[in-house]
Amino acid sequence: EVQLLQSGGGLVQPGGSLRLSCAASGFTFTNYAMCWVRQAPGKGLEWVSAISASGEYTNYADSVKGRFTISRDTSTNTVYLQMNSVRADDTAVYYCAKSGWKDFDSWGQGTLVTASS
Amino acid sequence: QSALTQPASVSGSPGQSITISCTGSSSDVGGYNYVSWYQHHPGKAPNLLIYDVSKRPSGVSSRFSGSKSGNTASLSISSLQAEDAADYYCCSSMGNTNVWVFGGGTSLTVL
Repeated sequence: EVQLLQSGGGLVQPGGSLRLSCAASGFTFTNYAMCWVRQAPGKGLEWVSAISASGEYTNYADSVKGRFTISRDTSTNTVYLQMNSVRADDTAVYYCAKSGWKDFDSWGQGTLVTASS
Repeated sequence: QSALTQPASVSGSPGQSITISCTGSSSDVGGYNYVSWYQHHPGKAPNLLIYDVSKRPSGVSSRFSGSKSGNTASLSISSLQAEDAADYYCCSSMGNTNVWVFGGGTSLTVL
């Protein structure tokens, strides 16, 4: 059974940094791209970032480009989202998701990030 | 990376059928058969209903079906049930890249 266990959310001051983690199990981690998707309060889902199966390629939504960094550690089967220069509009529930191919076939439980002073 | 366009809300009675549209462009929905649909109950993780426009993952009810014509994809739900009340999102991959765009979401009310 695929499991994606997230951690690392919480309160962060605007301009600050936070790192989200997503520990994967139940599948061959190195065979699949991994992504982050978020949902701001009262808003819809927004794709944030993706990292290829090999970790060689990364992509970002324009809204986070240059501030967020996605990475993966194959020794611990964990994907990370490093959030720097956090803004108030980054406040959202962040989901880790496994990419089946061109879709998201498994999701983490979500973690709330609140950017506020 | 402009969001795909979905109706904000739809409704139907138990047993009826509804369809949710998702309009994009030739750069996303119209250009590739990489449209997926998700059901999202508030407070829970989203659930994949349809991938590659019309394919259903194992375990997803056959009451859910997907299609596409030009730049518009559609999700149909037949024999509506109370538990179908949720938010539904379409999503398209931007071709052979790991870049995606979601629709704004549609809230389904089962009357």
